[in-house]
Amino acid sequence: DAKTTQPTSMDCAEGRAANLPCNHSTISGNEYVYWYRQIHSQGPQYIIHGLKNNETNEMASLIITEDRKSSTLILPHATLRDTAVYYCIVTNYGGATNKLIFGTGTLLAVQP
Amino acid sequence: EPEVTQTPSHQVTQMGQEVILRCVPISNHLYFYWYRQILGQKVEFLVSFYNNEISEKSEIFDDQFSVERPDGSNFTLKIRSTKLEDSAMYFCASQLAGGRNEQFFGPGTRLTVL
Repeated sequence: DAKTTQPTSMDCAEGRAANLPCNHSTISGNEYVYWYRQIHSQGPQYIIHGLKNNETNEMASLIITEDRKSSTLILPHATLRDTAVYYCIVTNYGGATNKLIFGTGTLLAVQP
Repeated sequence: EPEVTQTPSHQVTQMGQEVILRCVPISNHLYFYWYRQILGQKVEFLVSFYNNEISEKSEIFDDQFSVERPDGSNFTLKIRSTKLEDSAMYFCASQLAGGRNEQFFGPGTRLTVL
């Protein structure tokens, strides 16, 4: 599985957009980019995923660069409840099961 | 909204004892996983399970660990003889189908081995 690099921590003001970067320069053609988050010690929560096109859902937007070597997760209007560790994970969709390999993620602190 | 549930929320046991952690995946899901997270460390993959057999397991998942789906609804993780280093949060996850479908995680069981 390709490895990802994320900043250790970021701050964001409440109500502003939070832009979380991820570098995955060794991603291969059949690997998707997934974002999960973990609030305190709860179970990880799926946010969004994509292959090469930008994606948007009710939680966030995912922008993937044309060369697919990096991506940005955007939370358009961050709230205090968005304070969490955000994980960028690349995983191969070809197998029957796809384990998630978590890194250390980015701790996003949303400030009032 | 359907969710993955896990019991107990906290389990305390003595070293060398057997523990069984229970998970109820989302009802129509077919793929199941266990992960663990030692306090302050990364979430680590343990095992994946599909069609009543293990699909993949990590190096952590040694002979002391086993998984079972005994009745078509529960998914269990058994640790035969617990060690101090097994103390961690254990998360169960389920997935509707393989490939690029997202995994849904339970709230976790905190295992404390004394």
